[in-house]
Amino acid sequence: GQNIDQPTEMTATEGAIVQINCTYQTSGFNGLFWYQQHAGEAPTFLSYNVLDGLEEKGRFSSFLSRSKGYSYLLLKELQMKDSASYLCAVRDRKSNDYKLSFGAGTTVTVRA
Amino acid sequence: DGGITQSPKYLFRKEGQNVTLSCEQNLNHDAMYWYRQDPGQGLRLIYYSQIVNDFQKGDIAEGYSVSREKKESFPLTVTSAQKNPTAFYLCASSLRAGNNYGYTFGSGTRLTVV
Repeated sequence: GQNIDQPTEMTATEGAIVQINCTYQTSGFNGLFWYQQHAGEAPTFLSYNVLDGLEEKGRFSSFLSRSKGYSYLLLKELQMKDSASYLCAVRDRKSNDYKLSFGAGTTVTVRA
Repeated sequence: DGGITQSPKYLFRKEGQNVTLSCEQNLNHDAMYWYRQDPGQGLRLIYYSQIVNDFQKGDIAEGYSVSREKKESFPLTVTSAQKNPTAFYLCASSLRAGNNYGYTFGSGTRLTVV
């Protein structure tokens, strides 16, 4: 299986930047995903990394280093609506099985 | 519009009772999954299915059962053997060969034992 670690909570001020780190261990890495989940709702897709480097999408960016088993999600120009849980998930390719394993999630609180 | 639908949104179960959570998708996805989410914990895999009439146990399958008689449907039964069923249950689907967005999730069912 995979060990996926991310911080439990982070707090930041509106307009600031927050970086959420994720470390993982897997034997058949096939991609890393970040999801946003508001309380009581389903996760929604934010980003996907399969090669090393930075993927930028508006205010959100995600970085991957496969050799280090490390990713981060960068949230810029924080808004109150960004208060949510952010889930790091790893896809492991084993015998044509493409299921995801999830970290426990990082709860981000944005303060005015 | 294509999507994945879970019902009901809220469900209350009495001790010793079996309940079934519905999950239907019209995305033509081969693979479907059931996850359980508890406060402070990540999503834990209960069961998954990659093709019709076949499914595999996930990490926490005890006390649960599933069926996959149709491609569109993957119902989850929470049996009386599940000792702590109160949780948020999420159904998801994906293309079998993977894609660059991972899963499409349903809106979830919150199950409470009363």
